[in-house]
Amino acid sequence: AQRVTQPEKLLSVFKGAPVELKCNYSYSGSPELFWYVQYSRQRLQLLLRHISRESIKGFTADLNKGETSFHLKKPFAQEEDSAMYYCALSVPLMKTSYDKVIFGPGTSLSVIP
Amino acid sequence: ETGVTQTPRHLVMGMTNKKSLKCEQHLGHNAMYWYKQSAKKPLELMFVYNFKEQTENNSVPSRFSPECPNSSHLFLHLHTLQPEDSALYLCASSQVWRNGYTFGSGTRLTVV
Repeated sequence: AQRVTQPEKLLSVFKGAPVELKCNYSYSGSPELFWYVQYSRQRLQLLLRHISRESIKGFTADLNKGETSFHLKKPFAQEEDSAMYYCALSVPLMKTSYDKVIFGPGTSLSVIP
Repeated sequence: ETGVTQTPRHLVMGMTNKKSLKCEQHLGHNAMYWYKQSAKKPLELMFVYNFKEQTENNSVPSRFSPECPNSSHLFLHLHTLQPEDSALYLCASSQVWRNGYTFGSGTRLTVV
């Protein structure tokens, strides 16, 4: 079964502290993973993609196939990082060039000044 | 407006009403999606369309009826809904897989 879990519903950290948002997945194929973010009163938006190995707004995420994890990390949290974060797994649709994305339940990050 | 636009932003409807949600994208994407976001559940995929053809129906009740007349427009027709259908309905689009989705702001639906 294809599934994404995020064990923490809420996470609070102090400004300047490191932050790690946990994500685990279940998928028999080769996983393509994403992190999406939703700031207050804004639409859901793509933060970063596993395939790009990029760092966006200081966030990075490493795929660990052995632990089936894709945790999101930032060394020094900022107040503007407070938002809802969703981990997502892309599953290809048969006979198409497209996919469906399965989302985790989300973690609400609060950065305390 | 560029990106993905959803109308209306808010909708209140009775259980016997018929209404439609509209989604429009100006990104040149070829795939469009409907998701449901309820208060205590993860985002749930409802339908996937690419090149106007429905390629995924995630066991959605027939009181939800999607329509994709072209690759830029997507509708969700609603009739005889239940109060538990109250949720935020999100539309998204993408170009090819692995690129990620662009989301609209959603329609907040309340069924009374």
